[in-house]
Amino acid sequence: GDSVTQMEGPVTLSEEAFLTINCTYTATGYPSLFWYVQYPGEGLQLLLKATKADDKGSNKGFEATYRKETTSFHLEKGSVQVSDSAVYFCALATGGFKTIFGAGTRLFVKA
Amino acid sequence: NAGVTQTPKFQVLKTGQSMTLQCAQDMNHEYMSWYRQDPGMGLRLIHYSVGAGITDQGEVPNGYNVSRSTTEDFPLRLLSAAPSQTSVYFCASRSSGGGTNTGELFFGEGSRLTVL
Repeated sequence: GDSVTQMEGPVTLSEEAFLTINCTYTATGYPSLFWYVQYPGEGLQLLLKATKADDKGSNKGFEATYRKETTSFHLEKGSVQVSDSAVYFCALATGGFKTIFGAGTRLFVKA
Repeated sequence: NAGVTQTPKFQVLKTGQSMTLQCAQDMNHEYMSWYRQDPGMGLRLIHYSVGAGITDQGEVPNGYNVSRSTTEDFPLRLLSAAPSQTSVYFCASRSSGGGTNTGELFFGEGSRLTVL
């Protein structure tokens, strides 16, 4: 069945470091891909999305490119801030009604 | 702009007790769902609904019941709580998007349930 695999955390970085969080997926058909972010004590909120191959989603300095050939949707940011500390979830949605989430990657950014 | 509202935020139950987690959205979304979040396992879909009167099972439905009598409300019922149901529960909704599944999910703030 459809699934999402993302790198285990926690990831600890210093402020202004480069961030990559890997995400790969298995799906039949052509899924839409998402990154959601969860700040402490809050629900998830959409960070960015891409709905077809080679699309790049971007928001708040974060980017991810939908790579069909490698079935990947890696999240990147050139310079992280302390305020980016959160849990990041990769997710996919197929033509049905379900959105499937990865296990989440916790990011800590040190000042 | 309330979005998705969940109550209660925290609840402690004893094994065998019953309770209902409430979820309401004010965005006129057709699709609503319940997830549970457990450490290292991400979010797992419990039940979902594509409109009033229509519900279906997700990945982990056992021990939970749902109903959808209105577009706005989607309560989750635990009939006989078990310690394995200790978790954080999230309600989420989205527009039906004309039958596609490319839209974002809007989440409530979560309900933390502990079953002793």
